[in-house]
Amino acid sequence: AQSVAQPEDQVNVAEGNPLTVKCTYSVSGNPYLFWYVQYPNRGLQFLLKYITGDNLVKGSYGFEAEFNKSQTSFHLKKPSALVSDSALYFCAVRLHSGNTPLVFGKGTRLSVIA
Amino acid sequence: SQTIHQWPATLVQPVGSPLSLECTVEGTSNPNLYWYRQAAGRGLQLLFYSVGIGQISSEVPQNLSASRPQDRQFILSSKKLLLSDSGFYLCAWSGQANYGYTFGSGTRLTVV
Repeated sequence: AQSVAQPEDQVNVAEGNPLTVKCTYSVSGNPYLFWYVQYPNRGLQFLLKYITGDNLVKGSYGFEAEFNKSQTSFHLKKPSALVSDSALYFCAVRLHSGNTPLVFGKGTRLSVIA
Repeated sequence: SQTIHQWPATLVQPVGSPLSLECTVEGTSNPNLYWYRQAAGRGLQLLFYSVGIGQISSEVPQNLSASRPQDRQFILSSKKLLLSDSGFYLCAWSGQANYGYTFGSGTRLTVV
């Protein structure tokens, strides 16, 4: 079975500081990994994905994530946070093979304080 | 380009009334389609998914049902709503396995 853990319900960071939103996964096989962002009363928007290749993935709005197979982690990072980055962030995983649905973490609320 | 439409945006329904939420996708064929529910602005619960017309997989026993009458149409229904059906309902589609999902804008359902 696939699962995703986002250990922090809330992350607070000052504007201009680096941010990290943590994600670990469990899957029996090679994973596809994704990050999504959700603004209030909106659908989820795709940020970035890891399929294969370079472990460091760059995505939208200056975000990046590093795939670490030994630690089964896919943490989301940004060098300098903006107030507009404040939102709910979801990590998700699916297997390479088959047609199984994405499994989402429970979400981490990021607050960037001016 | 592909687009996904979901409506209505908001809905207030009395307990015991029926429900029909519709989701359509344009610009692609044979998409995988999904219905999620999000309670209290947090985690996503997968309700139903479909890999083809008439093929529906239910993830959680619910007071809800889903149908896919056409290739790019996915409908979420209930015969009698419960208070616990309140939430934010999201439709999504995906193509090949290495792509993630594209989500609709969501429907805020309040059962009163």
